[in-house]
Amino acid sequence: GENVGLHLPTLSVQEGDNSIINCAYSNSASDYFIWYKQESGKGPQFIIDIRSNMDKRQGQRVTVLLNKTVKHLSLQIAATQPGDSAVYFCAENGLTGGTSYGKLTFGQGTILTVHP
Amino acid sequence: GAGVSQSPRYKVAKRGQDVALRCDPISGHVSLFWYQQALGQGPEFLTYFQNEAQLDKSGLPSDRFFAERPEGSVSTLKIQRTQQEDSAVYLCASSWETGGAFFGSPLHFGNGTRLTVT
Repeated sequence: GENVGLHLPTLSVQEGDNSIINCAYSNSASDYFIWYKQESGKGPQFIIDIRSNMDKRQGQRVTVLLNKTVKHLSLQIAATQPGDSAVYFCAENGLTGGTSYGKLTFGQGTILTVHP
Repeated sequence: GAGVSQSPRYKVAKRGQDVALRCDPISGHVSLFWYQQALGQGPEFLTYFQNEAQLDKSGLPSDRFFAERPEGSVSTLKIQRTQQEDSAVYLCASSWETGGAFFGSPLHFGNGTRLTVT
């Protein structure tokens, strides 16, 4: 659901389950999307990125899906582990206002908790 | 070598004091960004440098915020006359591309400086 301020969306899973984290983006002109993982007290850590001319991209245990029709991005994590517990952010490089460089705009984030 | 390095990790300032936050980007990275992250929120853009040129400062909240990167490597974010609303984590990020964040050239973030204004 939609949350404001400290009430981030949350997802709780059991270790070994697959996780799906969703993100809606706003700018149809964005041509690049990226997922970051942020653990407490640390900066965002790059997970995987995708270009707008792709529908899907796979990494190690992670898959990003892009649906431009409905402006939706998802991150799938296979065989989720306790070490995957963190806040996950999607970001887009909205090229608005004549911006000619990749300036990332972040979503609100989703808290993933993995139970052993 | 190492990733993006930021210092100090924590800074407590009394309202009205000036603070300076330092960022050492990954060696050779051309693009450098500063972001502000409030508690429970995603990072929000402050400013962008390409080498020593500040190409975009549209995200700086007020004229109390000033950033520089005089030699195209280390950057400093300065906040004058700090206010309580300035309390946040300030993140620095860099990428090797001249054009900022693009496919194949993601932003790499430091661990941030947590600023608390009392």
